[in-house]
Amino acid sequence: QSALTQPRSVSGSPGQSVTISCTGTTNDVAIYDFVSWYQHHPRKAPKLITYDVNKRPSGVPDRFAGSKSGSTASLTISGLQADDEADYYCCSYVDGNTWLFGGGTHVTVL
Amino acid sequence: EVQLVESGGGLEQPGRSLRLSCSGSGFNFEHHSMSWVRQAPGRGLEWIGFISSRPYGATTHYAASLKDRFTISRDDSKNVAYLQVNSLRSEDTAVYYCARHAGMTQDLWGQGTLVTVSS
Repeated sequence: QSALTQPRSVSGSPGQSVTISCTGTTNDVAIYDFVSWYQHHPRKAPKLITYDVNKRPSGVPDRFAGSKSGSTASLTISGLQADDEADYYCCSYVDGNTWLFGGGTHVTVL
Repeated sequence: EVQLVESGGGLEQPGRSLRLSCSGSGFNFEHHSMSWVRQAPGRGLEWIGFISSRPYGATTHYAASLKDRFTISRDDSKNVAYLQVNSLRSEDTAVYYCARHAGMTQDLWGQGTLVTVSS
């Protein structure tokens, strides 16, 4: 099964907002509300940012917001900060206890 | 401290086998399902497979493209999950991560262990 589709990169200036899309199919994103987003800084452990489409773990600021419409999930980062520069991955439950990641999006803070 | 630590990576020759370990601490390991995920150089994250918690039978599930050479197991007495990779190929070169599940989400990850497959 092919990876979920994400843009290779997005960029924004400090304080601005950026939105990353994650496009799946009617076999994954469209039918399951189990989409999560991860922030990954090089050589560090990936960090859960949002889960179950739009929930945030404790400690994650509300600048990070997940959403979904049809087969496309999105992560919006508001009030962009320098430390937000990282790779971001979406992940969707598929079926039968299997999961699928997106190809990753690099966020650049200009 | 709640954490996962992977180990067992290194340089391996093509065709050999390798077993990676994922040690959990600071939480009730036996109550959590676990996944393994890898990232090849310059590539994105790739989900490898999953093992449910023992109350749910410690059942395993794998990505369709990988299931033939990969085996996940766990030893809850040691708070460890394992990933066995057989018949190593150059394309298995990657950082391998383990991740704890909370519900349908991988909520805690280790920092990964690098596996390099080369002769």
